[in-house]
Amino acid sequence: NAGVMQNPRHLVRRRGQEARLRCSPMKGHSHVYWYRQLPEEGLKFMVYLQKENIIDESGMPKERFSAEFPKEGPSILRIQQVVRGDSAAYFCASSRTGDHDGYTFGSGTRLTVV
Amino acid sequence: KNQVEQSPQSLIILEGKNCTLQCNYTVSPFSNLRWYKQDTGRGPVSLTIMTFSENTKSNGRYTATLDADTKQSSLHITASQLSDSASYICVVTSGGYNKLIFGAGTRLAVHP
Repeated sequence: NAGVMQNPRHLVRRRGQEARLRCSPMKGHSHVYWYRQLPEEGLKFMVYLQKENIIDESGMPKERFSAEFPKEGPSILRIQQVVRGDSAAYFCASSRTGDHDGYTFGSGTRLTVV
Repeated sequence: KNQVEQSPQSLIILEGKNCTLQCNYTVSPFSNLRWYKQDTGRGPVSLTIMTFSENTKSNGRYTATLDADTKQSSLHITASQLSDSASYICVVTSGGYNKLIFGAGTRLAVHP
């Protein structure tokens, strides 16, 4: 079991470009959560998805950010027209059930906007 | 407002010494409390999970305590090793599928 796989590990984008972050959950996990971690701060919840459905997106900025978890393939966190303030580490976690059964984090994607 | 506060912010200890990290929370409803270890450049890894009825749980040299009345938790590390150098994060889960609420972490450095 390869665990939660995130790619890329590091991503550099110029202001105004799009960033796509991918997360493949652990085998048997159908619940995916995205978090953002700014330097020297704790992880902040962004969105919770369950195969093809967004369950809770209360932590997502209203503009430029979107997430999906298609029937086939990884979950994608998409940031359009990136700005310097989007620079952060983005972590994905997955679980078997909505009660965080087997909750496991990936190693994160570090986004740098230049 | 749901909050998790940790202290100290950072800590330096010598290899072989013990240390205790603190966590205070104001989260309602309370489901469980977790301690995670996060190595630099890695994702958090779970150390312990405690429900309302549990007041202590151990995982090797790590022992977590929970006082649900005072809403405090601690993580005690015994006989520290260089590999214990990391951030230790206290996380409270508030009901159902709800998102986890993270503390900012304590950054521990173990020196030889």
